[in-house]
Amino acid sequence: AQTVTQSQPEMSVQEAETVTLSCTYDTSESDYYLFWYKQPPSRQMILVIRQEAYKQQNATENRFSVNFQKAAKSFSLKISDSQLGDAAMYFCAYRSITGNQFYFGTGTSLTVIP
Amino acid sequence: DAGITQSPRHKVTETGTPVTLRCHQTENHRYMYWYRQDPGHGLRLIHYSYGVKDTDKGEVSDGYSVSRSKTEDFLLTLESATSSQTSVYFCAISSLAGGSKETQYFGPGTRLLVL
Repeated sequence: AQTVTQSQPEMSVQEAETVTLSCTYDTSESDYYLFWYKQPPSRQMILVIRQEAYKQQNATENRFSVNFQKAAKSFSLKISDSQLGDAAMYFCAYRSITGNQFYFGTGTSLTVIP
Repeated sequence: DAGITQSPRHKVTETGTPVTLRCHQTENHRYMYWYRQDPGHGLRLIHYSYGVKDTDKGEVSDGYSVSRSKTEDFLLTLESATSSQTSVYFCAISSLAGGSKETQYFGPGTRLLVL
């Protein structure tokens, strides 16, 4: 099974500043999907951004962007102009092209300081 | 928002009692998943379904069974609840259509406490 590692259990950022959350994964596959999900205190999981491994261009979604380093098996999330509403648990996830299962990291709890 | 509901949202039960959690979707997605979320473990897959009556085990399937008799409903049953099954349970759906349609949508979660 693939493994997804988030080495930062907790992070904090000043409002309006930029923060980067780290994620690494282990796979022998060449094609796959990577995701970042946000889980606010309401506990609902919300998709933040998605990256297809076969695309070299890093995905962006408004203030959220990723740094995808395929050779290093690294998939970090950058949040620009952090807002109070960004405070949440963030999960990195992996899915192979051919498989049905998603594999999640253990999450990073992000605090935004006013 | 994707149409996914879970019931009940909260449940307290006693050890040894069978418990069934329900996930209902209105998106007609083929794939449905049950996860549990525990501190320090993130989300772990219990079982998933890739169609009506087609299910498979995930990472932590022991003590759980599932059924899917209709596209829209995916049931998770704890055959004899134990305290180690106290957790938050999430249902998710996916079309696995690939490309820009590729994603997974989650339900609101069910908090289960086994005493």
